[in-house]
Amino acid sequence: EVQLVESGGGLVQPGGSLRLSCVASGFTFSYYEMNWVRQAPGKGLEWVSYINDGGNSIYYADSVKGRFTISRDNANNSLSLQMNSLRAEDTAVYYCARVPRRTVACMDFWGPGTLVTVSP
Amino acid sequence: DIRLTQSPSSLSASVGDRVTITCRASQHITNYLNWYQQKPGKAPTLLIYAATSFQTGVPSRFSGSGSGTYFTLTISSLQPEDFAVYYCQQSYITPYTFGQGTKLE
Repeated sequence: EVQLVESGGGLVQPGGSLRLSCVASGFTFSYYEMNWVRQAPGKGLEWVSYINDGGNSIYYADSVKGRFTISRDNANNSLSLQMNSLRAEDTAVYYCARVPRRTVACMDFWGPGTLVTVSP
Repeated sequence: DIRLTQSPSSLSASVGDRVTITCRASQHITNYLNWYQQKPGKAPTLLIYAATSFQTGVPSRFSGSGSGTYFTLTISSLQPEDFAVYYCQQSYITPYTFGQGTKLE
């Protein structure tokens, strides 16, 4: 069974840092591209970052570029998101999502999410 | 960035109704359009990818159509479990943007 489980969320002050993790199981993690997507309370979905299977192709939303860093450890089936210089507007549930090998990229499995709250 | 505009933003419907949600892209994206369903407190689930292809396990009452800049998601006969929020998403180019969502209630 495919599973993605995020962790590392919590309460952090503005300007602080947090590192999110996503542990994958039930599939060959190293074969798949991955995304981070977030959702502010009561709001819609916002794509945050992408990483390819080898970890050498990475993209970010403008809203997080220069502050967030995505990475992966294929040996340990894990995806990470290092978040620095956090702002109140970064408050959201953060989801990791798998990208299946298809002509048109999509996100076929999502983790349950981890809540990040940025507040004094 | 590619802007996706969904309509309506909310929709009142009843069990058994046929409903259609539209998603318009601000530029041509061929068929790089996906649809997701999200229920309260849960992660989104993939319904339709590449505008018209069914994700495994999705009931056949869901269907997608369109290409270019205009796309639709249709539910042929609403079931109680279909009341949720629906999002379209483009994967033509980063940033991978989502529509604002349509709440089906």
